[in-house]
Amino acid sequence: DTEVTQTPKHLVMGMTNKKSLKCEQHMGHRAMYWYKQKAKKPPELMFVYSYEKLSINESVPSRFSPECPNSSLLNLHLHALQPEDSALYLCASSLAEAGGSYEQYFGPGTRLTVT
Amino acid sequence: GEDVEQSLFLSVREGDSSVINCTYTDSSSTYLYWYKQEPGAGLQLLTYIFSNMDMKQDQRLTVLLNKKDKHLSLRIADTQTGDSAIYFCAESITGNMLTFGGGTRLMVKP
Repeated sequence: DTEVTQTPKHLVMGMTNKKSLKCEQHMGHRAMYWYKQKAKKPPELMFVYSYEKLSINESVPSRFSPECPNSSLLNLHLHALQPEDSALYLCASSLAEAGGSYEQYFGPGTRLTVT
Repeated sequence: GEDVEQSLFLSVREGDSSVINCTYTDSSSTYLYWYKQEPGAGLQLLTYIFSNMDMKQDQRLTVLLNKKDKHLSLRIADTQTGDSAIYFCAESITGNMLTFGGGTRLMVKP
């Protein structure tokens, strides 16, 4: 099973709303990722969690707040977003051990529209 | 610095072979990957190759790596309309950090 699931599939939120994106995997992967993808562009890395600890934050604004409650779940909490934050948000997971191939498996994404 | 480049667009006829090319600049890449993205969907891992290999074949897919020229290619044999998508190459240097190319849109005409 190489499935990463994400909910919701689509989300429309106003600039004053608070919402959360959820990601789940049951492959035993201990590294999980959030990416942002704008139309016709490659994914841009936002955050990396390794063994449930935040290991990489690519200078993401604080209106995006990640959380890794356990080894299978990854959340992205959203607050006071801007219209330019509208994008496809992708979650991915991979093995975390050093020397591995680190192939990342992606979820289907959440299409976020900020109005 | 890291930079991965791909041509923007490729059009082929159904049944022909497709070759999608990618160049990268960092010679310390350890693994190189090919992902497929259909409209509105996530990225599907197609295949990957370790940097000490020259070639990897997986059914209709053949990956060629020329480390001297820092050139990676993905050949899709007997291309089908279902292969129409955007294809991203990516390199891994520091473990779990991937650097993606800009993506190549493959259009397959019936």
